[in-house]
Amino acid sequence: DIQMTQSPSSLSASVGDRVTITCRASQGISNYLAWYQQKPGKGPKLLIYGASILQSGVPSRFSGSGSGTDFTLTISSLQPEDVATYYCQKYNSAPITFGQGTRLEIK
Amino acid sequence: EVQLVESGGGLVQPGGSLRLSCAVSGFTLSSYEMNWVRQAPGKGLEWVSYITSSGSGTTIYYADSVKGRFTISRDNAKNSLYLQMNSLRADDTAVYYCARDRSWSGNPGYFDYWGQGTLVTVSS
Repeated sequence: DIQMTQSPSSLSASVGDRVTITCRASQGISNYLAWYQQKPGKGPKLLIYGASILQSGVPSRFSGSGSGTDFTLTISSLQPEDVATYYCQKYNSAPITFGQGTRLEIK
Repeated sequence: EVQLVESGGGLVQPGGSLRLSCAVSGFTLSSYEMNWVRQAPGKGLEWVSYITSSGSGTTIYYADSVKGRFTISRDNAKNSLYLQMNSLRADDTAVYYCARDRSWSGNPGYFDYWGQGTLVTVSS
């Protein structure tokens, strides 16, 4: 099975900072990569699919890039409401696998 | 408004069974593939199972960790998705989410709507 590895596992940044989270696949997955945001006690929320396509209603400060094995999620200007855990997910074929998550906090 | 509401979780002894339900509204269930995803306390997300929309050619996938013990099913007329869980183990303890799939490819894709989850605790 393809493994997804996120880095860092946790991150602390200031409001207004540019934040980047990376996700690496153990094999090439083309652009079959999604990013989710999860806040405590809630189900995950889809942010990005197709590696770089912003889901409707998601603020434009979120962006995704990459293809093959290396992907990034970028928040251009961190806001207090962005405190959450972020997960990448590959979906080129079953089984679906998620990264281990990146916990984002405000400094 | 799209809504997914899970129910049926609770405390069960090891070796026991539980049936989870996911009631959907705001969209036509028969038009979408669906999934179950779980999250152990304080841990990350783990995909559990997938089912295609309907018909005689239904395709189902399971994670290796639940294959042979869990069964996914759906009743489009009742707008409901189900997960029958048998031979439960302590490591099945998790919040279980249902999630709407957007792949329409016969393979699980990405998930655009999730429920709030239902907690399953396996303990004696």
